[in-house]
Amino acid sequence: DVKVTQSSRYLVKRTGEKVFLECVQDMDHENMFWYRQDPGLGLRLIYFSYDVKMKEKGDIPEGYSVSREKKERFSLILESASTNQTSMYLCASIALDRYEQYFGPGTRLTVT
Amino acid sequence: AQSVSQHNHHVILSEAASLELGCNYSYGGTVNLFWYVQYPGQHLQLLLKYFSGDPLVKGIKGFEAEFIKSKFSFNLRKPSVQWSDTAEYFCAVSLTSGTYKYIFGTGTRLKVLA
Repeated sequence: DVKVTQSSRYLVKRTGEKVFLECVQDMDHENMFWYRQDPGLGLRLIYFSYDVKMKEKGDIPEGYSVSREKKERFSLILESASTNQTSMYLCASIALDRYEQYFGPGTRLTVT
Repeated sequence: AQSVSQHNHHVILSEAASLELGCNYSYGGTVNLFWYVQYPGQHLQLLLKYFSGDPLVKGIKGFEAEFIKSKFSFNLRKPSVQWSDTAEYFCAVSLTSGTYKYIFGTGTRLKVLA
């Protein structure tokens, strides 16, 4: 079974802090994604990566950056956390020859 | 721009009632279609998917969905719901070529009363 893990289930940070969210997948998938999930808004794509060191902006990239130094790891960075970034963050991965995304358990981030 | 609409935001049903959740998408090309489910406290998991072929697809736990190309719809159905079906359901679309981006609907929260 594909496994996507995220470094934290719950995180509380202060406004202005730099925040790192880590995601690791164990199935050698090329594509990885970061979403945020908010009530009534569904999942919105922040960034995705289709290869090591490659990244593309999603629909809401402002205030975020990403890093993919190794194929299995995709990091989401909040350069200066703000209260409107309080949300559930989901990581997902997908193989090149398939279209089914596999999701991690999510990180619930609260910025105070 | 492509979009996915889920018209039912909250649905409350009694056990054994039938379920139909609507999903419509806007895109003129060929798409792959998905329903994901998120049970309370759990991660998103795939319920069923449509890539091609028979437009009626069956998924896990007795769910099925029908792709109607002329209506740009992919509605989810279950003849008899159970309390354990209480969850949030997301419809999603991906394009069949180019980017692997998904577009998700806003979700439907289903509550099944025992």
